[in-house]
Amino acid sequence: AQSVTQLDSQVPVFEEAPVELRCNYSSSVSVYLFWYVQYPNQGLQLLLKYLSGSTLVESINGFEAEFNKSQTSFHLRKPSVHISDTAEYFCAVSLGGGSNYKLTFGKGTLLTVNP
Amino acid sequence: NAGVTQTPKFQVLKTGQSMTLQCAQDMNHEYMSWYRQDPGMGLRLIHYSVGAGITDQGEVPNGYNVSRSTTEDFPLRLLSAAPSQTSVYFCASSYSAGATDTQYFGPGTRLTVL
Repeated sequence: AQSVTQLDSQVPVFEEAPVELRCNYSSSVSVYLFWYVQYPNQGLQLLLKYLSGSTLVESINGFEAEFNKSQTSFHLRKPSVHISDTAEYFCAVSLGGGSNYKLTFGKGTLLTVNP
Repeated sequence: NAGVTQTPKFQVLKTGQSMTLQCAQDMNHEYMSWYRQDPGMGLRLIHYSVGAGITDQGEVPNGYNVSRSTTEDFPLRLLSAAPSQTSVYFCASSYSAGATDTQYFGPGTRLTVL
């Protein structure tokens, strides 16, 4: 079975600073990787996902994540954060050839952007 | 499109009471699921459905029932509420049960059991 570890439960940063939210997974087979974001008092929404091909994937609001197979990581980065990026971020993994009901979420990282 | 809708947004129950959390989607998605979110524990799958008339248990199904009579609706029933069921409940849907499909989440129901 696969598992997901988000290494930081909380990450406080100042506005316009860079940020990295770390995610490691364990699986003996190929995987698909996702980052979901949850803004305050809302449901989760997809930020970006890696299925195959280029290991660097980008979102429309400036976040990017890089799939590193050798280090089994899928860290999320943004070079300059805004107040509006304050949210909880969840890394998730599903198995290649598997099903959505096997999607495993990490415990989440709360990103707080301070002025 | 309204997407995934959930009602109610908030609910307070007494131990032993029963209730139904409603979930509906208007995207003609085959796959629907229920998660609970507890602090520091991420999301845990309660039940899921791969199509009308087909449901199955997830990671934490005890104390909950589901049914799927239509493609659009996927209600979650608490049979006899317990304080351990205090949580935020999210319904989600996706086009299919494929591992690459994006899940679309509702806004959640915050449930407190006294």
